[in-house]
Amino acid sequence: EAQVTQNPRYLITVTGKKLTVTCSQNMNHEYMSWYRQDPGLGLRQIYYSMNVEVTDKGDVPEGYKVSRKEKRNFPLILESPSPNQTSLYFCASSLSGGGTEAFFGQGTRLTVV
Amino acid sequence: QKEVEQNSGPLSVPEGAIASLNCTYSDRGSQSFFWYRQYSGKSPELIMFIYSNGDKEDGRFTAQLNKASQYVSLLIRDSQPSDSATYLCAVNIGNSGGYQKVTFGTGTKLQVIP
Repeated sequence: EAQVTQNPRYLITVTGKKLTVTCSQNMNHEYMSWYRQDPGLGLRQIYYSMNVEVTDKGDVPEGYKVSRKEKRNFPLILESPSPNQTSLYFCASSLSGGGTEAFFGQGTRLTVV
Repeated sequence: QKEVEQNSGPLSVPEGAIASLNCTYSDRGSQSFFWYRQYSGKSPELIMFIYSNGDKEDGRFTAQLNKASQYVSLLIRDSQPSDSATYLCAVNIGNSGGYQKVTFGTGTKLQVIP
């Protein structure tokens, strides 16, 4: 089954404790992206990657890191999480580029206390 | 001015009616336009995309694009209660280097009343 898998689905952590949210896709897609979704602000792109070792900032990259060492994986790293990073996070992948994301992950609800 | 604007709604329509959802964007360099549907607590799912001016139809859905006026709309014919969801407009700004930044609107909540 074609899918984008995020883990964990739910995470509660404390301020400053480094965390990684994993994202994996099994469709051999070149383009992958991370978004956060907040009430009243909609989906905002954090980072995207057009291929292995090619990443770029979206609208809200501050406080986040990403890496793309393999085509299938695109982890999101929060080196020092803060409460304003409490949000719902989505990973997405696309065969042909940004915006044509036919596949979103299930979402990760992160709470930073 | 927000890059992509949508009326947050809720937009209420009776079952069987046409629902019209609108989106405006600010960047004239925008090249690709997308509509996603998101049910409460679920992931967004792509409904349609459109690149050229005019209409594009897929079943009960029609996307309309007017680049001169910088708006894109989604029409849902014969609306069903199962269409009740939040509809997100997204705009992709591409360039010759393959830049693929995507900006979403905040979404319009649609309620279809049985």
